[in-house]
Amino acid sequence: EAQLVESGGGLVKPGGSLRLSCRTSGFTFSDHNMNWIRQAPGKGPEWVSYIDSKSIYIYYSESVKGRFTVSRDNAENALYLQLNSLRVEDTAVYYCARQFCSPSSCYMGWLDPWGQGTLVTVSS
Amino acid sequence: EIVLTQSPATLSVSPGERATLSCRASQSVSTSLAWYQQKPGQAPRLLIYDASNRAPGIPDRFTGTGSGTDFTLTISSLLPEDFAVYYCHQRRSWPPGPFGQGTRLEI
Repeated sequence: EAQLVESGGGLVKPGGSLRLSCRTSGFTFSDHNMNWIRQAPGKGPEWVSYIDSKSIYIYYSESVKGRFTVSRDNAENALYLQLNSLRVEDTAVYYCARQFCSPSSCYMGWLDPWGQGTLVTVSS
Repeated sequence: EIVLTQSPATLSVSPGERATLSCRASQSVSTSLAWYQQKPGQAPRLLIYDASNRAPGIPDRFTGTGSGTDFTLTISSLLPEDFAVYYCHQRRSWPPGPFGQGTRLEI
């Protein structure tokens, strides 16, 4: 069974930085495209970033472009998100999620499974 | 950016009844719409993809319909474990942006 475990969240001041990690197991990580999604308290989820299996295609939401950087280490089965120039509005639970694949196909944009999330709080 | 509007915000129903949730897109997404379920303290879980396909392991009491701008998630004969928040999301435009604001299904 696929498992994803995020870590690295915490309390940081505006303008600060954090590096989130997502450790995976139970599937061939190097075969799968991955995503980061965040969810602010009491709000719906917001897709944040995508990275394909070979780190060739990378995308960001407009709200984080230029401040966040996604990367992966296929040898370590790990996904990362570097968060720089953090703002109060970046406060959220950050989830990593695998691109969903049915038995016959994979679907860019559909997300399953997800990790349990790590909380990032940006506050002075 | 495509905006997804869900209605109602909260739906009160009883176990055994049918629930009908709506998601409207600000422009056509064809059938590129998914539904997710989120229970308290948990991550969202994919229920329906491409408007009408159930994800593996999802019971057939969950049915997705629609295309273009109007979509519906129907849950027939509600069980206690179905009470949760449901979100829609699209992948027609890339990057896909935010999910809908959610419908809370409560007893």
